[in-house]
Amino acid sequence: AQSVAQPEDQVNVAEGNPLTVKCTYSVSGNPYLFWYVQYPNRGLQFLLKYITGDNLVKGSYGFEAEFNKSQTSFHLKKPSALVSDSALYFCAVRASNRDDKIIFGKGTRLHILP
Amino acid sequence: DAGVIQSPRHEVTEMGQEVTLRCKPISGHNSLFWYRQTMMRGLELLIYFNNNVPIDDSGMPEDRFSAKMPNASFSTLKIQPSEPRDSAVYFCASSFQLPGASETQYFGPGTRLLVL
Repeated sequence: AQSVAQPEDQVNVAEGNPLTVKCTYSVSGNPYLFWYVQYPNRGLQFLLKYITGDNLVKGSYGFEAEFNKSQTSFHLKKPSALVSDSALYFCAVRASNRDDKIIFGKGTRLHILP
Repeated sequence: DAGVIQSPRHEVTEMGQEVTLRCKPISGHNSLFWYRQTMMRGLELLIYFNNNVPIDDSGMPEDRFSAKMPNASFSTLKIQPSEPRDSAVYFCASSFQLPGASETQYFGPGTRLLVL
């Protein structure tokens, strides 16, 4: 069975500092990996995804994520945090060789401190 | 495109009443998903359709919940009778999915349901 874990419920980062939101996954075969962001009172918005190819994926708003197959991780990163990055972030996974549904993590709340 | 459209945006009802949530997916998308989000349980997939056919409804909590997709541009999620523990934000999402391909889901703004 496929699963995804976001080990941190909340991450606090000072504005201007680099940020990392962690995600690990378990899936049979090769994964499709996604990051979504949810701002208050809004639906989830797609940030980026890994399908194949370069392990470093660049997405919206200056975010990027690195696929690490040996560590089964897909951490979300940004070199310099903005207060406006404060939101709830979801990691999601699906096995590439099956038509299973996407599984979402529980979410990590990111607070960027001014 | 207007994106995924959900109605109503807010719903307050009394226990025992029927609640119907509506969703219009993005035109051309062939998959539709209903999610429920609560503080306690996070984001839960309730059911999803592919080409208007329900594929997986294992997340539907009880027989009180039912979902339909009569055509490619409309879906409903019904709760009858509603209970206070159904209070949550319900999201609809759509995507265009080919077999074995990746998919990006596009979410609607959600319906905030409060059952008193």
